[in-house]
Amino acid sequence: DIQMTQSPSSMSASLGDTVTITCLASQDIGNYLSWYQQKPGKSPKLMIYGATNLEDGVPSRFSGSRSGSDYSLTINSLGYDDEGIYHCHQYYEYPYTFGAGTKLELK
Amino acid sequence: EVKLVESGGGLVQPGRSLKLSCAASGFSFNDYWMGWVRQAPGKGLEWIGEINQDSSTINYTPSLKDKFTISRDNAQNTLYLQMSKLGSEDTAIYYCARDYRDFDYWGQGVMVTVSS
Repeated sequence: DIQMTQSPSSMSASLGDTVTITCLASQDIGNYLSWYQQKPGKSPKLMIYGATNLEDGVPSRFSGSRSGSDYSLTINSLGYDDEGIYHCHQYYEYPYTFGAGTKLELK
Repeated sequence: EVKLVESGGGLVQPGRSLKLSCAASGFSFNDYWMGWVRQAPGKGLEWIGEINQDSSTINYTPSLKDKFTISRDNAQNTLYLQMSKLGSEDTAIYYCARDYRDFDYWGQGVMVTVSS
């Protein structure tokens, strides 16, 4: 199975900050990587698909990038509504796998 | 509006079976792959598996392949997850999701608790 190593596991940032969350794939997954945001008690919400594509309705403050096997989610101008857990997900090869999640809190 | 509504969860004894349903509306159900994902309390997401449009291809995560069965009824716009030989490790929220640009729509989830 492809392992997705996500970091950090948790982080705290201030309003207006820029934060970056990273996932490292254990083997090549091309651009078959998505990012989800999950708020407490809610279902995950697709934010980024295809490593860099913004899902409809997602603010442009969110962006995805890739450098080799490293995939990053960057959030600019952090707001309180951005708090939650972020999950990466590879859908290149079965079985699909998720990263362990990053809990983002605002100070 | 795309809607996915799971049902069938609850408290089940270890070793028993349970079947979850996911009712879909607001889109052409038979045009999409559909899948199941679960989340144990306080844990991350675990991909269970997915099924293609005509049920000819079904993929599972290997550790669950002998316990779980995914099926669908396109006439009823419903996705199913049959779970057998349940253990405490299967206690989780179970989500169904539409697979388009990866999982672009999710249900609200249904809780399954395995306990005596």
